[in-house]
Amino acid sequence: AQSVTQPDIHITVSEGASLELRCNYSYGATPYLFWYVQSPGQGLQLLLKYFSGDTLVQGIKGFEAEFKRSQSSFNLRKPSVHWSDAAEYFCAVGSSGGSYIPTFGRGTSLIVHP
Amino acid sequence: GAGVSQSPSNKVTEKGKDVELRCDPISGHTALYWYRQSLGQGLEFLIYFQGNSAPDKSGLPSDRFSAERTGGSVSTLTIQRTQQEDSAVYLCASTVGAGDTDTQYFGPGTRLTVL
Repeated sequence: AQSVTQPDIHITVSEGASLELRCNYSYGATPYLFWYVQSPGQGLQLLLKYFSGDTLVQGIKGFEAEFKRSQSSFNLRKPSVHWSDAAEYFCAVGSSGGSYIPTFGRGTSLIVHP
Repeated sequence: GAGVSQSPSNKVTEKGKDVELRCDPISGHTALYWYRQSLGQGLEFLIYFQGNSAPDKSGLPSDRFSAERTGGSVSTLTIQRTQQEDSAVYLCASTVGAGDTDTQYFGPGTRLTVL
């Protein structure tokens, strides 16, 4: 069965600092990987996704993520964090076998200090 | 354009009462998902509808939970005899197709509080 681990429950960074949020997955084949962001009181919004090809994926709001098969990781990065980036971030892996039900990680809460 | 909408945004109910939560997906989206998000937890899959196929109910936690999707569009999640552990945010999402590469578009959720 597929699974997603986000090892950090909370991450605190200063505004302007760089950011890396970790995501590890367990999946039998080539995974389909997603990062979503959830602002307070809102639903989730897609930041970026990886299916195949270039392992460095660019997303919205200046985010990028790199797929590393050898490490089963899909970490999210941003070179300079803005206060408005404070939110909950979810990594997800797409399903296989025709079930089309993704598995989400528990999320990482990003706190941005001025 | 219109996104996924959910109603009500907040629902407070007493233990033992039934509640109905509504989801309006993006027009033309064929797939619809319900998730539950409890405090400090990730998204727990509940049920998945795709077109006219039988729904995948494998995530429903008990027989108190049910959902239907009328006319391939609006969906209602019903929780009967609510319990305090049902308190959570219930999220609905839709996708344009059934592919596992599809982006999920989420509604803002319904926050359910069972007293």
